[in-house]
Amino acid sequence: GIQVEQSPPDLILQEGANSTLRCNFSDSVNNLQWFHQNPWGQLINLFYIPSGTKQNGRLSATTVATERYSLLYISSSQTTDSGVYFCAPRNTGFQKLVFGTGTRLLVSP
Amino acid sequence: DTEVTQTPKHLVMGMTNKKSLKCEQHMGHRAMYWYKQKAKKPPELMFVYSYEKLSINESVPSRFSPECPNSSLLNLHLHALQPEDSALYLCASSQADTEAFFGQGTRLTVV
Repeated sequence: GIQVEQSPPDLILQEGANSTLRCNFSDSVNNLQWFHQNPWGQLINLFYIPSGTKQNGRLSATTVATERYSLLYISSSQTTDSGVYFCAPRNTGFQKLVFGTGTRLLVSP
Repeated sequence: DTEVTQTPKHLVMGMTNKKSLKCEQHMGHRAMYWYKQKAKKPPELMFVYSYEKLSINESVPSRFSPECPNSSLLNLHLHALQPEDSALYLCASSQADTEAFFGQGTRLTVV
């Protein structure tokens, strides 16, 4: 099955800093989602981004499906951005949403 | 409304108990999913229902029994679980293979 690796695995930032999270996947995909998992376990939808670039406030995401990677940009980070970020691509022709290894982000004041 | 509702939020059960987890969505989605997440790991797919039929079973032990009584509801029946089955169980739904939405999860502890 598809392999999904995220980097870095852990990231510590000072409030106000910018960061880039990367998601590499091993096979062609139909679409890709980015999630933020809060400390209570809730998976919050950030982006549904099969290809191209999208922006939502301080967050933006880019997927280059032909090169099998996606990037999540966080600008002017806030303490509330802390948590785990997952990318989850869906294989072409499959119903499975496969989660990446995750990036654990801690933003300190 | 992009809400998926799971009940209960927390569950403690003994190894001889039978319990059920429930999941409900009213977005008209025809695909529903169960995922299991252990601490500090990503969610792992257990089951997929498509149009109320089981389409994917990721070799899950038979002590987990899914059921989809109608297009809005998804259950996970639990029986004779082991302590290592303690985890966060997440339900999701989507319209075919488009954007998926997750519930808040049920945190299960098996004692």
